[in-house]
Amino acid sequence: DGGITQSPKYLFRKEGQNVTLSCEQNLNHDAMYWYRQDPGQGLRLIYYSQIVNDFQKGDIAEGYSVSREKKESFPLTVTSAQKNPTAFYLCASSIEGTYSYEQYFGPGTRLTVT
Amino acid sequence: GQQVMQIPQYQHVQEGEDFTTYCNSSTTLSNIQWYKQRPGGHPVFLIQLVKSGEVKKQKRLTFQFGEAKKNSSLHITATQTTDVGTYFCAGPTDKLIFGTGTRLQVFP
Repeated sequence: DGGITQSPKYLFRKEGQNVTLSCEQNLNHDAMYWYRQDPGQGLRLIYYSQIVNDFQKGDIAEGYSVSREKKESFPLTVTSAQKNPTAFYLCASSIEGTYSYEQYFGPGTRLTVT
Repeated sequence: GQQVMQIPQYQHVQEGEDFTTYCNSSTTLSNIQWYKQRPGGHPVFLIQLVKSGEVKKQKRLTFQFGEAKKNSSLHITATQTTDVGTYFCAGPTDKLIFGTGTRLQVFP
């Protein structure tokens, strides 16, 4: 089956630790995205990548880092510099990054930092 | 920056009643997309509208894109409990801007 996988589904970390969230897609999509969703809120863009080895900051990139070494993979690292990291993180992909195409979302990772 | 607002924020309806959510952009959009997120789930694409004044239907769901391409609406006829979730509109600028969402609760 084609789709996007995110792991793990739930993640617990202590404050001050960096944590990396996995996102893999087998849809052969060029563009990938990371969003953050807080309870009862909409989606806020953290980082996006329109092509391998290239990525841009979204609206709330501070405290996060990404890499795009392979077309299929777009991992997100939540660093200790992120002041309020507890949230639901969603990865998405689209055929290309022109926003004329729908975005496919993964199941998400719920991160809790205490 | 561009903003995409949705109203209402919440809507509780009795099963069988109709439901409408409205999406308003501060700028003209080239297209508008609609997504549904079930409780505890992830957003799922419903539809994209491109043309001014466009109306599309999916069974009990009717989507409309305004003449000025700055607003859109989603209307659900005779809601069912399976319609529960949050409905987001999204419009593109240099990135896809998601609306604030409307959370729909349907009581049986």
